[in-house]
Amino acid sequence: QLQLQESGPGLVKPSGTLSLSCTVSGGSISSGDYYWGWIRQPPGKGLEWIGSIYYLGNTYYNPSLKSRVTISVDTSKNQFSLKLDSVTAADTAVYWCARLPVTGTDLSWFDPWGQGTLVTVSS
Amino acid sequence: DIVMTQSPDSLAVSLGERATINCKSSQSLLYRSNNENYLTWYQQKPGQPPKLLIYWASTRDSGVPDRFSGSGSGTDFTLTISSLQAEDVAVYYCQQFYSTPLTFGGGTKVEIK
Repeated sequence: QLQLQESGPGLVKPSGTLSLSCTVSGGSISSGDYYWGWIRQPPGKGLEWIGSIYYLGNTYYNPSLKSRVTISVDTSKNQFSLKLDSVTAADTAVYWCARLPVTGTDLSWFDPWGQGTLVTVSS
Repeated sequence: DIVMTQSPDSLAVSLGERATINCKSSQSLLYRSNNENYLTWYQQKPGQPPKLLIYWASTRDSGVPDRFSGSGSGTDFTLTISSLQAEDVAVYYCQQFYSTPLTFGGGTKVEIK
């Protein structure tokens, strides 16, 4: 059974860089049938897609975050990572990683999800 | 961006009764080449990640009870819980994958009356 686990600091200073990793177990991140993605949810608010990556490095980013986001993949570690620069309090959220089956438009739905990690931006 | 609008924001339904959640997209999610609607539904319980319920607007994911059903096409979609159970209390989200950026509806909170 495929599982995803987020890891990284739970507290980031304003103007700093948020860095998270997602470790995939029970399956290979190099499967050509899937993209891998990040989603976030500020406390009490809705869901926002951040971006997604294919094992070959192809990426899609949400234009609202594109100038600050980098998603990368490390197939040797079966991991993919998120970096978000110049963070503010508005970036405080639960961050999830998830798998996306490839469809005719590349990206699709998120399943399964990791358990999520709360990242707070505060001095 | 495709804007996804859910209604109502919340609803309270008696146990065993039907719950209906609506999702409207700002443009059609129907792909003519394969006649599929690029629309997904999730269920999120407190402290948990969203769980996939339905994809392609009407295909139930494996293990999802058949009291959950999805319908609709184009820009108007519905998630129906035919007989509400206590474990169905959650927030439900729709999501489109017709184009990037992938976008979600604002969520509908389902409670027991």
